[in-house]
Amino acid sequence: QVQLVESGGGLVKPGGSLRLSCAASSFNFKAYYMSWIRQAPGKGLEWLSYISPSGTTIFYADSVKGRLTVSRDNANNSLFLHLDSLRAGDTAVYYCARGGIAVPGAAAFDIWGQGTMVTVSS
Amino acid sequence: QSELTQPPSASGTPGQRVTISCSGGSSNIGTNTVNWYNQLPGMAPKLLIYSNSQRPSAVPDRFSGSKSGTSASLAITGLQSEDEADYYCAAWDDSLSGWVFGGGTKLTVL
Repeated sequence: QVQLVESGGGLVKPGGSLRLSCAASSFNFKAYYMSWIRQAPGKGLEWLSYISPSGTTIFYADSVKGRLTVSRDNANNSLFLHLDSLRAGDTAVYYCARGGIAVPGAAAFDIWGQGTMVTVSS
Repeated sequence: QSELTQPPSASGTPGQRVTISCSGGSSNIGTNTVNWYNQLPGMAPKLLIYSNSQRPSAVPDRFSGSKSGTSASLAITGLQSEDEADYYCAAWDDSLSGWVFGGGTKLTVL
């Protein structure tokens, strides 16, 4: 079935970096905008970034701009997140989510991964 | 602080109707459509309502959404115990060129 599966979470030291992957299956991945969204423990949802179907347009939330890099590999139906200079406030469950196929703000996140937990601690 | 404002909590008894509000501004709800998500404990969010009032096919018609000006609301009729979850509104924000979420509303079924 249509599915997103994140991987790469775990315990990371402050100041370090993390790389997460999101594997897509059973849909035409290269046609869709994709986003990363995170949720700190006990907190709400925070949108981090979207990437266009071709990967040529990427937008980042101000809260992570300069530290976050998002990319995709359409040949392998994969989405990636790379976050540098980690701090305790980056501790969260990180979700990848499918957006629409037109302009980025025109469609909802209709498919979500199960999330991967990242803990930033020494 | 979230760009969209929701009440932190809501409650109702089985069978009741409850509504959850979502207040934004001219650059988000005032200009773009609103989506609603719910999140059961320990689970990923799930799309509940898109484009202000549209339901994905798997979502029961007990759930409905509406929008007026810079505010939106989610209504749940015939409340059931399995509706106990966190509910989030979201909209595209033209000023930020990104998505904004409400802070979430925890719905308790008494």
